[in-house]
Amino acid sequence: DTAVSQTPKYLVTQMGNDKSIKCEQNLGHDTMYWYKQDSKKFLKIMFSYNNKELIINETVPNRFSPKSPDKAHLNLHINSLELGDSAVYFCASSQARTGMNTEAFFGQGTRLTVV
Amino acid sequence: GENVEQHPSTLSVQEGDSAVIKCTYSDSASNYFPWYKQELGKGPQLIIDIRSNVGEKKDQRIAVTLNKTAKHFSLHITETQPEDSAVYFCADGGRTSYGKLTFGQGTILTVHP
Repeated sequence: DTAVSQTPKYLVTQMGNDKSIKCEQNLGHDTMYWYKQDSKKFLKIMFSYNNKELIINETVPNRFSPKSPDKAHLNLHINSLELGDSAVYFCASSQARTGMNTEAFFGQGTRLTVV
Repeated sequence: GENVEQHPSTLSVQEGDSAVIKCTYSDSASNYFPWYKQELGKGPQLIIDIRSNVGEKKDQRIAVTLNKTAKHFSLHITETQPEDSAVYFCADGGRTSYGKLTFGQGTILTVHP
């Protein structure tokens, strides 16, 4: 069984469109993240949620809106897509422990291409 | 904010040789340092991590060392194999319960048979 699964794996869309990426984890974790990997492979945090509550919003344009309906799901909706949004988006999850960070499990990624 | 510098950006070795990747971090309060391996078309996968209360950790052919004073940590892979070829990322895992990972720039490791 896939631990962290994202859909779709590939997404090609035109500028100005609105799109969503879905993420689900079956690890029982209480914290989920979205990371963006650019064309140079650089990975950067976008958002994190703990128990459906937004914890980190790393100065991401407000065209990006995460939604966590429950602990096992964290979706990413993007409005008015721009060419610069083209990247690979990774969902991840981990289990919070008091005062310490723990292993983050990553999904397979969603390659978004804006044309 | 946190910053992580990773070197080298590319590393080419012969099968059986050792490979070393080095990272430095900026936040002296950070206490968790994972290393991730990313194969083509896949998500990053944890291969080893270290916490600030230890200086070294080994897992078979992989080892990580941490120097808190100098704020740097290194990944050592011995007896490299072609399947070790991938992009390797170090990360600063901060010091909170659900902190973000601040990644280094990545190292493309190629192991030639």
